[in-house]
Amino acid sequence: GEDVEQSLFLSVREGDSSVINCTYTDSSSTYLYWYKQEPGAGLQLLTYIFSNMDMKQDQRLTVLLNKKDKHLSLRIADTQTGDSAIYFCAEILPVEYGNKLVFGAGTILRVKS
Amino acid sequence: NAGVTQTPKFRVLKTGQSMTLLCAQDMNHEYMYWYRQDPGMGLRLIHYSVGEGTTAKGEVPDGYNVSRLKKQNFLLGLESAAPSQTSVYFCASSYGSRGFGQETQYFGPGTRLLVL
Repeated sequence: GEDVEQSLFLSVREGDSSVINCTYTDSSSTYLYWYKQEPGAGLQLLTYIFSNMDMKQDQRLTVLLNKKDKHLSLRIADTQTGDSAIYFCAEILPVEYGNKLVFGAGTILRVKS
Repeated sequence: NAGVTQTPKFRVLKTGQSMTLLCAQDMNHEYMYWYRQDPGMGLRLIHYSVGEGTTAKGEVPDGYNVSRLKKQNFLLGLESAAPSQTSVYFCASSYGSRGFGQETQYFGPGTRLLVL
């Protein structure tokens, strides 16, 4: 079955690190994604990781993947007020299923100045 | 490139009315998708298309129909709107290949629909 779970809310102080966690269930997923949604806006792709990687770093973002536990995390270093948004974890099903993305419910990140 | 665009941005309907949401992409993508976003539920796939002239059901297809007559356009229709269809609708598109980095979906800005 397909299921992606995330914690609902995270609050951090400006300058601290944020860690958003996600678990998924479909072991055939080839890519896992993090999307950011600001209020009233569409989804913006933040980063993605291929399923045979353990870690990917992209400026302030670090993605860690534990394939054995089906656990994905997004770390944002030096969190800024502009990082306040909803963050969605998503896994992609194989091409024979139309490259379907299965999303988590989203984690609201609030950054306090 | 405009990317993925959606019209309209916002619409209010009465129960039983019909409407069509339009999605257009100028990236020559093969695959297109319609999602709905409801509070606390993330995005759920309504219908998708793997090429011009093809459509397939997603997770929550009931009450919706779609058409992909042209590669660049994907239409989502509500024949008889219900309050349960109040939501934000997102269109997305992707290349449709398994090549590295080509499975990314690009999203439109969304259409807010309120059904009274």
